[in-house]
Amino acid sequence: AQSVTQPDIHITVSEGASLELRCNYSYGATPYLFWYVQSPGQGLQLLLKYFSGDTLVQGIKGFEAEFKRSQSSFNLRKPSVHWSDAAEYFCAGSRDNYGQNFVFGPGTRLSVLP
Amino acid sequence: GAVVSQHPSWVICKSGTSVKIECRSLDFQATTMFWYRQFPKQSLMLMATSNEGSKATYEQGVEKDKFLINHASLTLSTLTVTSAHPEDSSFYICSARERGSYEQYFGPGTRLTVT
Repeated sequence: AQSVTQPDIHITVSEGASLELRCNYSYGATPYLFWYVQSPGQGLQLLLKYFSGDTLVQGIKGFEAEFKRSQSSFNLRKPSVHWSDAAEYFCAGSRDNYGQNFVFGPGTRLSVLP
Repeated sequence: GAVVSQHPSWVICKSGTSVKIECRSLDFQATTMFWYRQFPKQSLMLMATSNEGSKATYEQGVEKDKFLINHASLTLSTLTVTSAHPEDSSFYICSARERGSYEQYFGPGTRLTVT
């Protein structure tokens, strides 16, 4: 069955430090992959998405992610974290080749130290 | 563009009553809408998928008689929690997808508390 995993439940980084959030997927065919951010009590905001083509995807707020088929990974990165980046981050993938019906990973909570 | 709204943002109801949550696509036609449920500190779980004018498709384990979903127009879907119980208390999030697009746009969520 298709699945999306995020190995880290909680990550703490200092403001200004670099960040990498891990995401692994299990799909039979080319996946459609997404990263979302959720602030407490809020809905989800799309950071970036990968459908095909260039494996390094640029998103909003200075985030980027790299699709690595050999590692079944789609890790999210940011070179310098800001205090406002503290939130919950969800990796998601489409469950079928038509891009419908997301499967969400369990989420990674990011804390930022001043 | 691509804004999805939900109403209400927060609702408290008594056990045994029903509550309706609305999901609207404000600036596009949503041929497909999705309803998710999120428990505290957990991920989103897809409850059902609805296509405009069709019956919703429910995920395994979701009671269709308890969670009534209607997608009567291209801009509105409703989720009605019938005979609510405290265990139905949760954060409900909808999303919408327009024809020909793979991307979902998420609403801000509705927090339901059943007392």
